[in-house]
Amino acid sequence: DQQVKQNSPSLSVQEGRISILNCDYTNSMFDYFLWYKKYPAEGPTFLISISSIKDKNEDGRFTVFLNKSAKHLSLHIVPSQPGDSAVYFCAASAFGTASKLTFGTGTRLQVTL
Amino acid sequence: GAGVSQSPSNKVTEKGKDVELRCDPISGHTALYWYRQSLGQGLEFLIYFQGNSAPDKSGLPSDRFSAERTGGSVSTLTIQRTQQEDSAVYLCASSSIAGAGETQYFGPGTRLLVL
Repeated sequence: DQQVKQNSPSLSVQEGRISILNCDYTNSMFDYFLWYKKYPAEGPTFLISISSIKDKNEDGRFTVFLNKSAKHLSLHIVPSQPGDSAVYFCAASAFGTASKLTFGTGTRLQVTL
Repeated sequence: GAGVSQSPSNKVTEKGKDVELRCDPISGHTALYWYRQSLGQGLEFLIYFQGNSAPDKSGLPSDRFSAERTGGSVSTLTIQRTQQEDSAVYLCASSSIAGAGETQYFGPGTRLLVL
């Protein structure tokens, strides 16, 4: 049972445009959400997070939106840059589970010139 | 150290052999996690340590998998009698403490191929 779903395996965006990566979850106990970015042959790198008490968190070009009623979150990157090309993983944890993360399957973002 | 390190970076083994994977967490981090990523899949939680104890081993796929942590630092994941389905990237992460909202920092992973 996939509790965190990233339904788009890949996304291609032109440089300078907005990239929107989506993530859905099914477990209503999840209360903390993270996005990680992964380059080939490297471990995932933490990007941005949001707790369930918020609906938006912004850090530079990256913004994460959380819609708890829809059990949906999204990552917006604007403007997109070629160096953003990577695989993006959505992850979630539930209070009391010591940050045990449940990951989605990832979305490969390609930013083209 | 500056980040989480893992060794070996790559491991090729024959079916039935035992393998040991090592993780060195960020200095001072008390929580350590093991995940694995099979081809085309997301990261799958295996086990986590708080200090030297492992309160949650729920993700270990079978009793062929075990892990230990000594001195609150280095951890070893051991896979006995490896099978081809064990082929995956094994990732280690650490965080300051084990708790909601704590960011986990990942190592580069060990790519295991079982022939």
